[in-house]
Amino acid sequence: AQTVTQSQPEMSVQEAETVTLSCTYDTSESDYYLFWYKQPPSRQMILVIRQEAYKQQNATENRFSVNFQKAAKSFSLKISDSQLGDAAMYFCASQGAQKLVFGQGTRLTINP
Amino acid sequence: DAGVIQSPRHEVTEMGQEVTLRCKPISGHDYLFWYRQTMMRGLELLIYFNNNVPIDDSGMPEDRFSAKMPNASFSTLKIQPSEPRDSAVYFCASSLTFLYEQYFGPGTRLTVT
Repeated sequence: AQTVTQSQPEMSVQEAETVTLSCTYDTSESDYYLFWYKQPPSRQMILVIRQEAYKQQNATENRFSVNFQKAAKSFSLKISDSQLGDAAMYFCASQGAQKLVFGQGTRLTINP
Repeated sequence: DAGVIQSPRHEVTEMGQEVTLRCKPISGHDYLFWYRQTMMRGLELLIYFNNNVPIDDSGMPEDRFSAKMPNASFSTLKIQPSEPRDSAVYFCASSLTFLYEQYFGPGTRLTVT
C-alpha cells in the first residue's frame, strides 16, 4: 500500500522569501509519479508540479521546484519568491498502479 | 477546454433524501475519478472509471453510494439515503491515462442536515 506523509501541518513565510514543504512517501512500486497540488480557499485543486520516479532530474515550474530523493523516499517542494497568491493548502500525492494517494496537507501562510 | 465541470457547487439536503452529484470530464480523458474530502479523513478516492467502465469501487463507503458513467462526457455519484456523516466536499477529476496528472473539478460541497 502507498502512504504519503506531510509532517508540517502549517508553515508560514514572509512575502518574497523561500519556503520548503516536506513530504515523504512509501511505495513498493517501481513505476510511480509524485505530485504537489495546491488548494486555495476557493477549494479548487490545482496541479503545481509533477515528478516521474524514473527521472533523476528534479522538476521545476517557474518559482516552484522539487527535491526528489528516491532512495530516501522524500519529495519536498520549494517555493521561491513567495507571493500572497501562494497562500493555500498544499498536498503531496503519490500515484502508482493502484491509485492516487494524498498526504494530509500543509497550510501555507504568506506574511506581507 | 472548460476543464472538469461539476454540479451543483453547493447542495443542502435533509437526512434521508437522495442526492445526485454530476460531473463532466475533460474531453478526450479516458479516466474519471470521484473523491471525497473531509477534515477527518482528508482526500479519499471513492471510485474510478476507465472508458466509462468502473474499475475500482473499493473506496465507496457503503451501499448507499453508487456511481455511473453512461457515456464519456457524463458521470453521476448518488447517495441514497443521505446521512449527516456524508457531509463533505466531493470532487470529480479526469486524466488522459492512469499514470498522469489528474485535473480536478471545483467540487460540490454537500451538507446533510
